[in-house]
Amino acid sequence: DSGVTQTPKHLITATGQRVTLRCSPRSGDLSVYWYQQSLDQGLQFLIQYYNGEERAKGNILERFSAQQFPDLHSELNLSSLELGDSALYFCASSVGGGLITLFFGPGTRLTVL
Amino acid sequence: DQQVKQNSPSLSVQEGRISILNCDYTNSMFDYFLWYKKYPAEGPTFLISISSIKDKNEDGRFTVFLNKSAKHLSLHIVPSQPGDSAVYFCAASGNYGGATNKLIFGTGTLLAVQP
Repeated sequence: DSGVTQTPKHLITATGQRVTLRCSPRSGDLSVYWYQQSLDQGLQFLIQYYNGEERAKGNILERFSAQQFPDLHSELNLSSLELGDSALYFCASSVGGGLITLFFGPGTRLTVL
Repeated sequence: DQQVKQNSPSLSVQEGRISILNCDYTNSMFDYFLWYKKYPAEGPTFLISISSIKDKNEDGRFTVFLNKSAKHLSLHIVPSQPGDSAVYFCAASGNYGGATNKLIFGTGTLLAVQP
């Protein structure tokens, strides 16, 4: 158990809909990262937050957004969903700064029908 | 542009033998490298890391080697055990001039250890 929690574990929805994925980092970790893993793909970095502020953006679509709240939990919002958005979405956390080691949550499997 | 590459999508090894997983990178700014292990339906789990100031780091059965001139790293597992069967991801990070670091992952290698 990495100490990072993600909810829900599974999500099935229809095209055009909007969903919210939630992540709670390990106790004491200030950074939260979101990654997407599509079928047969590696882990694609989406976005990073550090202590409530956006720090880095990767290959995140404009239809996707995220935020980190004062209690350090984070939410990833996916809107106008398309079939191609079906993937595993992982949240990871780290203490922040310097050489980073990420600790991953169990992931949310999103299926868009 | 895939900055971290794992060219072998799969590897099969006999129990007790050595498993060698390879990873190549293209960005010379990377200075910290990690290996993660992932079982189905679980998140990746940190395995071992190495800083660019070293060329080897060992932790039990796992050893990571870094060849900076070749921009290549490898993970050795000796002896391999059936419980090692998983997908292994190589990851790299570097300071891109700001305070932010992010891990760039390879596409993974599926290791199957045969009993």
